[in-house]
Amino acid sequence: DVQLVESGGGLVQPGGSLKLSCAASGSTFNNLWMHWVRQAPGKGLMWVSRINGGGSSTTYADSVKGRFTISRDNAKNTLYLQMNSLTADDTAVYYCATVGFDYWGRGTLVTVSS
Amino acid sequence: DIQMTQSPSSLSASVGDKVTITCRASQNIGISLNWFQQTPGKAPKLLIYAASSLQGGVPSRFTGSGSGTDFTLTISSLQPEDFAPYYCQQTFSNPYTFGQGTNLEI
Repeated sequence: DVQLVESGGGLVQPGGSLKLSCAASGSTFNNLWMHWVRQAPGKGLMWVSRINGGGSSTTYADSVKGRFTISRDNAKNTLYLQMNSLTADDTAVYYCATVGFDYWGRGTLVTVSS
Repeated sequence: DIQMTQSPSSLSASVGDKVTITCRASQNIGISLNWFQQTPGKAPKLLIYAASSLQGGVPSRFTGSGSGTDFTLTISSLQPEDFAPYYCQQTFSNPYTFGQGTNLEI
């Protein structure tokens, strides 16, 4: 089994930045592709980004491309999401998930508001 | 991007009922289709992967079927804990789009 714990969410002003973390345990993290998925309050799920096990291949949803950066530190078993130029539309619970979407964290809430 | 359309958007049923949720892809995705259940306030839970494979630990009353563009999730004999939103997701190509969800209500 894999355990995932997100952190780093909070209140940020429009145009601001935030960096989310996802700490993994229980498996060989550096072999796992990982995803970020978000869910705006009362809305459905939206896939945000993915990264391969070595960190050399990344993909983004169009709505975050150029603003968000996914990365990982395999020595620390941690996945990251650097979010810049945030807008109200980025307000959501952000989840990390493993390659097959079979393990998810509990999520961390990001609120973009002045 | 591949669009995923679920129907119905909401569904009322009773304990013991059999229900079916459908998901249609805007192009052929083979069997690259997941189904999730999301209990309020919690992360999505993977129920079905590869269109019809039951995820470990998921009760056998959940069944997935379909290929190409049309897929179904069937829940036989609804239990109280099954009343929740359900989402389909295609993993055929990026971005891995989700359906808009089906809210299964009592």
